[in-house]
Amino acid sequence: GDSVTQTEGLVTLTEGLPVMLNCTYQTIYSNPFLFWYVQHLNESPRLLLKSFTDNKRTEHQGFHATLHKSSSSFHLQKSSAQLSDSALYYCALSGSNNRIFFGDGTQLVVKP
Amino acid sequence: NSKVIQTPRYLVKGQGQKAKMRCIPEKGHPVVFWYQQNKNNEFKFLINFQNQEVLQQIDMTEKRFSAECPSNSPCSLEIQSSEAGDSALYLCASSSTANTGQLYFGEGSKLTVL
Repeated sequence: GDSVTQTEGLVTLTEGLPVMLNCTYQTIYSNPFLFWYVQHLNESPRLLLKSFTDNKRTEHQGFHATLHKSSSSFHLQKSSAQLSDSALYYCALSGSNNRIFFGDGTQLVVKP
Repeated sequence: NSKVIQTPRYLVKGQGQKAKMRCIPEKGHPVVFWYQQNKNNEFKFLINFQNQEVLQQIDMTEKRFSAECPSNSPCSLEIQSSEAGDSALYLCASSSTANTGQLYFGEGSKLTVL
């Protein structure tokens, strides 16, 4: 079945350093949609990025990700972390059925 | 501010009691999802609807959980006999499409089963 793997449960880094959160997925569907959602403390998740086009970079609010179907990956990156980026980040997949699967999430903590 | 309205924000139930949560999707969104977010922040898909019809649901939902999205009324998720393991944040999300659209989440209903 469809699944999403986020390998890091917690990422801690210093303000100004680059961010990379890993996401890989598994699906039999040849045209999956991939999403990144962000959830700040005591808030509901909201969409950060989405993509369905292979090898095309998508950007929003300083974050970017590129869907690579060859490696089934959709890693989230940012060139310079800010304190306000501290949050839970979820990678999500819409694949071969009408469900949207979420990974287990990565807690990003940005320190001064 | 979320345009998906969930009520109540908090529920406290004893084991074996019923727990019912409601969700009003964003206007014009025919698709509604229910997710369970546990204390480890893991998301579990429960069920989704397109208009009044169930699209997908997991086995857990088929047993103690029931859900509906009647026409012209809020959607609802009900646990017939609550168990301690059901304590979680229940998130409702709506979307314009079943699998390609952005999910808009409500603020959730936090269930505590004593």
